[in-house]
Parts: sequence; C-alpha cells; structure tokens
Amino acid sequence: EVQLVESGGGLVQPGGSLRLSCIASGITFHDYWMTWVRQAPGKGLEWVGTIKPDGSETKFVDSLTGRFTISRDNAMNSLYLIMNSLRTEDTAVYHCANFRSVSDYYFFDFWGPGTLVSVSS
Amino acid sequence: QSALTQEASVSGTVGQTVTLSCTGNSNNIGSYAVGWYQQISHGAPKTVMFGNSLPSGIPDRFSGSKSETTASLTISGLQPEDEADYYCSTYDSSLITWVFGGGTKLTVL
Repeated sequence: EVQLVESGGGLVQPGGSLRLSCIASGITFHDYWMTWVRQAPGKGLEWVGTIKPDGSETKFVDSLTGRFTISRDNAMNSLYLIMNSLRTEDTAVYHCANFRSVSDYYFFDFWGPGTLVSVSS
Repeated sequence: QSALTQEASVSGTVGQTVTLSCTGNSNNIGSYAVGWYQQISHGAPKTVMFGNSLPSGIPDRFSGSKSETTASLTISGLQPEDEADYYCSTYDSSLITWVFGGGTKLTVL
C-alpha cells in the first residue's frame, strides 16, 4: 500500500520560515518526480513545485520562486519543502504527491493527506 | 481565476450517468492529457483518471475523454460514495506550470 505522510505544518508569523516533510512508503521513491500541491482554505488545488528523481532539478510556480525550495533524501524516502518569507496568502494545506508517467504524459498519482500551514500574526 | 474552467456544481441521482467538463486552451488541454482527482471533504485527493486510463482500483464506472480543448470525466451508475469535489489538471506550456480547474462539487441526490 502506498502511503505519503506530510508533517511540519503549524502556525508561523508573517516573514517566518517552515520546513515541511513528506515520507513515502510503498513506492520506489527514487524513481519518481515528486511534487507539492497546496489548497488554501475553501479554495481549489494549486501546484507549488516539483523535483526530479535525483534531486538535480526543481521547478516552481513563478510566484513562489526565490521563497520556496524543494529537496529530497532518497535514502530516507523523504521529500522536503522549505518555505521562507512566509505571507498570509501562503496559508494552506500542503499535500505531497508523486508524478506517474502514463502513455508519455505525466499525472499526479498518489497523494498525502496534507499538513496545515497557517501564517498569521 | 483558474486556467481550466469547470462547472461549480453538478448533481445526479443514484444510478444516473453524469459528465463533468474541463475547458482550457491549445497550450494546456489542447496539447496534453488531463488528469482527474477526487477529493472528499477536503481530505487527500485521489486520482481517478490518467487521461483516458483508469488507475488501479478505480471502478470502470469512471471514464475520461478529450476533444480539442475540453476534457470530460463521465461517471456512470452514480453511487453515493461518488459525492466529492473533482478537479482536472494538466500542464500548460505557455504558463510553464501545472494548472488545475476550480473544481466541481458533485452531489448525489
């Protein structure tokens, strides 16, 4: 059974930093592109960023480039999201997911339940 | 404003067939396959369609299709457990980002 479990969320003041973790089991973690997707309260899903299987390349939505970093530790089956200079609009549940290639296209595959980040003074 | 447009809400009765739509443009749906994701009560999303391919464990009541810049998710023999929010997503080569629709709330009457 595939499980992705996020942790590290919490309440942080504007301008603060936070590191989220996602531990994967049931998949060959080092084979997959991994991604973070967030969902603000009452809103829809928003792609945050993605990391290559070997960690050599990351991509982010433009609005977050420079503030957020993604890394991974394949030996620990772990994915990380490092968030700096947090703003109130970053308040959301953050989900990790793996990408799967099907017929030469990529799709989000398995998802974690998410961890809540609240940015407030 | 989402890059992909979905109906805000759709409803159907048990046993009925419903179709959810997702409209984009030539840079996203027109060029790439569309995934569909089910989310019940803001829990973990669950993938129900890879383009027109079913993920393992998803009943064949679900089917996906695409015509030019509109993708569709059809659920036949609607069941109470299908009540959820459904999101479509694909890659956008102009925005250079993965995009989602705003989501459709499916109610099973």
